[in-house]
Amino acid sequence: DTGVSQDPRHKITKRGQNVTFRCDPISEHNRLYWYRQTLGQGPEFLTYFQNEAQLEKSRLLSDRFSAERPKGSFSTLEIQRTEQGDSAMYLCASSPTRGNEKLFFGSGTQLSVL
Amino acid sequence: GNSVTQMEGPVTLSEEAFLTINCTYTATGYPSLFWYVQYPGEGLQLLLKATKADDKGSNKGFEATYRKETTSFHLEKGSVQVSDSAVYFCALSDPMNRDDKIIFGKGTRLHILP
Repeated sequence: DTGVSQDPRHKITKRGQNVTFRCDPISEHNRLYWYRQTLGQGPEFLTYFQNEAQLEKSRLLSDRFSAERPKGSFSTLEIQRTEQGDSAMYLCASSPTRGNEKLFFGSGTQLSVL
Repeated sequence: GNSVTQMEGPVTLSEEAFLTINCTYTATGYPSLFWYVQYPGEGLQLLLKATKADDKGSNKGFEATYRKETTSFHLEKGSVQVSDSAVYFCALSDPMNRDDKIIFGKGTRLHILP
């Protein structure tokens, strides 16, 4: 069990650029979640996957955001045409199955949009 | 909708002091309640949980009791250590939702002075 890993740890980009983050969940965990955390706030739910199916998206996830989990293993979160308001820590979490409410979090990707 | 409110930080205490971090919740059903902790430079991790009224979650000397009558889940520790310095998040999930999505409070930063 190597834990949930996220890449990169930090990303600095210019406004208008596209960025992509990767999350590798704990192997055999069916559920994968993306959260966003801004300074002084708790994590806010963005979206989640059950295997490869994206089952729910928050209203926070604008059309510029897209997430995939093509083979039910790793996931990517892409932000197109980044804005300064997108600056945040993007957290990924996984859990083994429904009813197991314990989420295992990665260390996050810190995005700074200049 | 479901939400969590916790006391604002930072909270600064001396080593061996008694700790209370208040948390109240709003939920339409009967949520499960959690405390997550985020140590500097690390990902969020589950500290303790309680799934029904009057349950007490405990771990690493921390305790919290699910109080349905006051909709509270206050975190307590009898004697804090410097190593307890971290950000603590109160959270809930609604077991009736199939996504097991967790809703977090804003977090309380705790500083323990030696």
